[in-house]
Amino acid sequence: DAGVTQSPTHLIKTRGQQVTLRCSPKSGHDTVSWYQQALGQGPQFIFQYYEEEERQRGNFPDRFSGHQFPNYSSELNVNALLLGDSALYLCASSSTGDNEKLFFGSGTQLSVL
Amino acid sequence: QKEVEQDPGPLSVPEGAIVSLNCTYSNSAFQYFMWYRQYSRKGPELLMYTYSSGNKEDGRFTAQVDKSSKYISLFIRDSQPSDSATYLCAMSTGRRALTFGSGTRLQVQP
Repeated sequence: DAGVTQSPTHLIKTRGQQVTLRCSPKSGHDTVSWYQQALGQGPQFIFQYYEEEERQRGNFPDRFSGHQFPNYSSELNVNALLLGDSALYLCASSSTGDNEKLFFGSGTQLSVL
Repeated sequence: QKEVEQDPGPLSVPEGAIVSLNCTYSNSAFQYFMWYRQYSRKGPELLMYTYSSGNKEDGRFTAQVDKSSKYISLFIRDSQPSDSATYLCAMSTGRRALTFGSGTRLQVQP
């Protein structure tokens, strides 16, 4: 049973560029959440998708957007990259009614130069 | 002030020791309390999940929640070098998003 898979594992971009990160949830899960983890910090909630709609959003600007597809996979898009966007981006999946039990992928390490 | 406070460590203990990890929080609406373990360059892994106050035990791990003091703990008995990782507490009001502590780095010396 595959867990949460994320791609790519590492990414290097320059300021002002745009990036797309991808996530496939654990089998049987229908809800996908995205978190940003800066070095030495805990993950910060970006947003959550369920039934292809954004259900909740954390304190992140509109430069951060997402999408969920009919097969429950998800994308995170970040526009106009800033140096401060450098972080580990984590995707987590859960099932309806058990949303606090998150299963995380290994993340995408984004470096903005 | 952060909603969830956690001592960053590092905490270094000898193999076989009992480890105590703690978090305090300020939001009385938190109802769900979790502990995650994160190895270097990996995503967090759910260790313990507790709803409301009380204790929960799973093998060498015991989680305690004291809502009156807004204080949660994770105890690790007979610690092993493989327990060396960063431990993150996390909490939720039940409205989907988790709020994490900054993590405590634990080193278990053989």
